[in-house]
Amino acid sequence: GQSLEQPSEVTAVEGAIVQINCTYQTSGFYGLSWYQQHDGGAPTFLSYNGLDGLEETGRFSSFLSRSDSYGYLLLQELQMKDSASYFCAVSPFYTGGFKTIFGAGTRLFVKA
Amino acid sequence: GAVVSQHPSRVICKSGTSVKIECRSLDFQATTMFWYRQFPKQSLMLMATSNEGSKATYEQGVEKDKFLINHASLTLSTLTVTSAHPEDSSFYICSAREGTDFYGYTFGSGTRLTVV
Repeated sequence: GQSLEQPSEVTAVEGAIVQINCTYQTSGFYGLSWYQQHDGGAPTFLSYNGLDGLEETGRFSSFLSRSDSYGYLLLQELQMKDSASYFCAVSPFYTGGFKTIFGAGTRLFVKA
Repeated sequence: GAVVSQHPSRVICKSGTSVKIECRSLDFQATTMFWYRQFPKQSLMLMATSNEGSKATYEQGVEKDKFLINHASLTLSTLTVTSAHPEDSSFYICSAREGTDFYGYTFGSGTRLTVV
């Protein structure tokens, strides 16, 4: 089975950098994804790591280390609008990659 | 980019009635769509996988007779909550993907169901 763990809440100030970690126990997956969800809204895709290493997309970067069963999402130059929930997710091998399993989510609060 | 439209966004129904939620892929064909349920401040829990032209695949613990899924075309999947009860009140979200990548799913805007 799959288990993804994230911190429940993170607070940071505007302009700062914040890292949201995701540790997992899994029998194998195609890659680690990150989604953002504002309250009452739909999740939106942010980033994907199919291979180990760092992927950068604007202010957001994501990292994966399969040997450490660990990944993170890095948000730079934080803005108030970044206050949202962030979910890591995997598509496990046993589903043929068809299903996405989500972590519990991390609520990010950005303060002025 | 890919767009998934979900309706209604909010619905209030009486206990014992049924509610239908629609999920449409607007600019791509989706042979597979997914239905999730989300309680406040919690994660998205996969309920079922909707397959065009065949029966849906339900996750363990999800009552298939209560949550009826129909995927009649390549752009439309529906979730019907039958004989709804207050404990069915939740946020229901569908998703689909364009192409065959294992990531980058597009989600509908969600439906807030309240059963009174």
